[in-house]
Amino acid sequence: NAGVTQTPKFQVLKTGQSMTLQCAQDMNHEYMSWYRQDPGMGLRLIHYSVGAGITDQGEVPNGYNVSRSTTEDFPLRLLSAAPSQTSVYFCASSSSGGTNGGELFFGEGSRLTVL
Amino acid sequence: GENVEQHPSTLSVQEGDSAVIKCTYSDSASNYFPWYKQELGKRPQLIIDIRSNVGEKKDQRIAVTLNKTAKHFSLHITETQPEDSAVYFCAASRNQFYFGTGTSLTVIP
Repeated sequence: NAGVTQTPKFQVLKTGQSMTLQCAQDMNHEYMSWYRQDPGMGLRLIHYSVGAGITDQGEVPNGYNVSRSTTEDFPLRLLSAAPSQTSVYFCASSSSGGTNGGELFFGEGSRLTVL
Repeated sequence: GENVEQHPSTLSVQEGDSAVIKCTYSDSASNYFPWYKQELGKRPQLIIDIRSNVGEKKDQRIAVTLNKTAKHFSLHITETQPEDSAVYFCAASRNQFYFGTGTSLTVIP
């Protein structure tokens, strides 16, 4: 099992550009989520999904878009990048999500810099 | 939504001493409380977790306690070793996971 795979690992964007961070998991997990990690701010939830076709907003959803067309994939789209979106992004998945409490497996992270 | 507070933000201990990290949460419906360790440049990884129907759980040198009434939970690391140096995150979960802001633990040899 590869677990949770994120691409790209590093990306530099100019303000206003758009891009998609890819996330895939091969554990047949229903729950998938995206976090951003900033110094002193911990891990903040951007969007999450409890199954194919179902997505919802987390704590900091503005400027980001997600979709969940398959169980395996959960891409995160930046619509018009801003310097405030410079961060490390983690995708994470869980068999049962928060409802029943199951381990959250993280990808390796994607470091995004917006100039 | 849920609000998780974590203290301290930094902690330095001598090798062999104990370390304690504390978290509080706001949503009384949260029922799952995991702790994650993140080494520099790596992904967070689960080290221990506790459910709301349990007051304490131990795994070798690591233990977690939960006080549902006071809505706080703590991580205890005994006999610390240099490889325990990392950032530790607590989280509270009901429908999704909310994380604390992290504690940077340094174990001084």
